[in-house]
Amino acid sequence: SQQGEEDPQALSIQEGENATMNCSYKTSINNLQWYRQNSGRGLVHLILIRSNEREKHSGRLRVTLDTSKKSSSLLITASRAADTASYFCAPLSDYGQNFVFGPGTRLSVLP
Amino acid sequence: SQTIHQWPATLVQPVGSPLSLECTVEGTSNPNLYWYRQAAGRGLQLLFYSVGIGQISSEVPQNLSASRPQDRQFILSSKKLLLSDSGFYLCAWSVSRQAEAFFGQGTRLTVV
Repeated sequence: SQQGEEDPQALSIQEGENATMNCSYKTSINNLQWYRQNSGRGLVHLILIRSNEREKHSGRLRVTLDTSKKSSSLLITASRAADTASYFCAPLSDYGQNFVFGPGTRLSVLP
Repeated sequence: SQTIHQWPATLVQPVGSPLSLECTVEGTSNPNLYWYRQAAGRGLQLLFYSVGIGQISSEVPQNLSASRPQDRQFILSSKKLLLSDSGFYLCAWSVSRQAEAFFGQGTRLTVV
């Protein structure tokens, strides 16, 4: 299966600071997606980065992908209390079971 | 537009009772469908996925089963619930195995 492992498992920052979380995976991929889960809710898709892309932006989100290191990072700039959530990555490929999620990163943004 | 419905939102069931959770998708055809379980404060465990009617793959052997009687309907069942079946159950769909996945709002199951 294609499973990403998020790191750190928990992150606590002050409002206005930047938050960086990482994802590592083991096999070659076609794309990698990041999702957010607010407490007690379903996951929401944030951003998709393709294997031939190195960086992608969406609002306050910046995602990087290093296929040589099989890793990705999600940067949230100028964090807000509303960014408090768990974040999951999903590396996707042509083979194996996709959408197998890791433990996620639990982000707490303190006001 | 596409939507996903999952119900009920919360459920309290006694040990040994049966379970049926339903998930339906609107606005798309032949979606890939997924059932997940999430323990409190933990990640998602993929339970079942389906690429078509009657095609179910199980990721983890357990006390649960899944069925897909119609193209956009995915049902999670158990004949006899265990305490360990408690958790937050999520249904999801995607148009393909590498496209964006859309999640339902989840069912909080408590087995007592």
